[in-house]
Amino acid sequence: AQSVSQHNHHVILSEAASLELGCNYSYGGTVNLFWYVQYPGQHLQLLLKYFSGDPLVKGIKGFEAEFIKSKFSFNLRKPSVQWSDTAEYFCAVRGQAGTALIFGKGTTLSVSS
Amino acid sequence: DTAVSQTPKYLVTQMGNDKSIKCEQNLGHDTMYWYKQDSKKFLKIMFSYNNKELIINETVPNRFSPKSPDKAHLNLHINSLELGDSAVYFCASSQLTGVGRTYNEQFFGPGTRLTVL
Repeated sequence: AQSVSQHNHHVILSEAASLELGCNYSYGGTVNLFWYVQYPGQHLQLLLKYFSGDPLVKGIKGFEAEFIKSKFSFNLRKPSVQWSDTAEYFCAVRGQAGTALIFGKGTTLSVSS
Repeated sequence: DTAVSQTPKYLVTQMGNDKSIKCEQNLGHDTMYWYKQDSKKFLKIMFSYNNKELIINETVPNRFSPKSPDKAHLNLHINSLELGDSAVYFCASSQLTGVGRTYNEQFFGPGTRLTVL
C-alpha cells in the first residue's frame, strides 16, 4: 500500500530563514507527487506537482521541490520564508494508475516576524 | 466563481441525526472525491466517483452514503451521526486526461466542518 511520511510535525522559523520540509513515500511504481498548502481556516491549495521530466519543480510563491527517485523523496524548499507562509503543508502521492491522493500527516509551519 | 463549492460550511448537530453535505464543481471535471480531515489534520480519502460511478470506497462505515446525481455534483449523506464523525470534510475534483489517461491535480473545496454533540 502507498504511504507518505512527513518527517517534521511542527517547524518554527524566523522570517528570511530557509525552509526544507521532508517527504518520503513508499510506492514501487511511477508516481505523481504533490505539495498542498492549507492556510489557517482555508481549503487546500496546490503549491506544486511532479508528474515527469525535470525533477526540480518550481511552484507558486517561491516554493520548489526536488524529486529524488532513488531516495523516494520529494522535499519542499523555500530560500527565504515570510510570515504569510505560516500554514499547514501536506505532501501527497498518487500511483499513476490511481485516482485518489494519499496524504502525509502534514507539517505545521510557523513563521515569526 | 468558486471552482469547487460545498454547503454548508459549518454543520453542528446532535448524535443520532442524519445530515447531508453538498458539493458542486464547475470545472467540467469527470472525477470527484470526498476526503475526511480529522482533528490532527490528517486527510484521508473516503470515496471517489468518475462519471457518476463509484470507483473508490475506502473502509468507511456504511452510515456514509455518497450520491452523484451528475458529473458536477457529489453529495455525502451521513446517517445516525456519531461523535467520531466530527471532522472537516473536503470535496475535490480532477480530470482524467492525456494520452496515458492519467489524472491531473485535484482541486479542493473550502471544507465543511461537522461537529457532532
